[in-house]
Amino acid sequence: GQNIDQPTEMTATEGAIVQINCTYQTSGFNGLFWYQQHAGEAPTFLSYNVLDGLEEKGRFSSFLSRSKGYSYLLLKELQMKDSASYLCAVRRPNSGNTPLVFGKGTRLSVIA
Amino acid sequence: EAQVTQNPRYLITVTGKKLTVTCSQNMNHEYMSWYRQDPGLGLRQIYYSMNVEVTDKGDVPEGYKVSRKEKRNFPLILESPSPNQTSLYFCASSRGGAGNGYTFGSGTRLTVV
Repeated sequence: GQNIDQPTEMTATEGAIVQINCTYQTSGFNGLFWYQQHAGEAPTFLSYNVLDGLEEKGRFSSFLSRSKGYSYLLLKELQMKDSASYLCAVRRPNSGNTPLVFGKGTRLSVIA
Repeated sequence: EAQVTQNPRYLITVTGKKLTVTCSQNMNHEYMSWYRQDPGLGLRQIYYSMNVEVTDKGDVPEGYKVSRKEKRNFPLILESPSPNQTSLYFCASSRGGAGNGYTFGSGTRLTVV
């Protein structure tokens, strides 16, 4: 089976840096995604990692360690609009390889 | 515009009255999926489809049916809705392959009374 853990809530200050952690235990691994979801809206794709290391995309970076079953999403220069839930998702390692298993999400509040 | 379109956005219905939530994508994606999202439980997969006429159960398939007769459409059917199916539902599609996650529809908020 799959188990994905993220903190439930985090608060950070505008302009600061925040790191959102995700740990997973899965029977096989075929990639990890991060999504952003504003309240009442659809999740939107942020990043993808399949190999160990850091992937940087503007203010957002994502890190993966497959041996530790660990990933984090790093948000720099926080803005108020970054207040949202951040979802970690692991791709099932089956023949379809697309179905994603999601963690419960981390709700980030950015305060002035 | 590339998108996944779900209808309706909001629906209130009564227990036992069959309903269908439609989902259509215009990106020629092979993979489609339905999720439900509940407070404290996150997104849970109901069913997914890898191609026309190919569907499989996700983590919470009980009480739901799907069909994939055409590539672009993937309707979700609740034959006899119950109050525990009150939830926010998302349809999603992907072209598959490494690095290609899902594109989500805007969601359907369903209330079963």
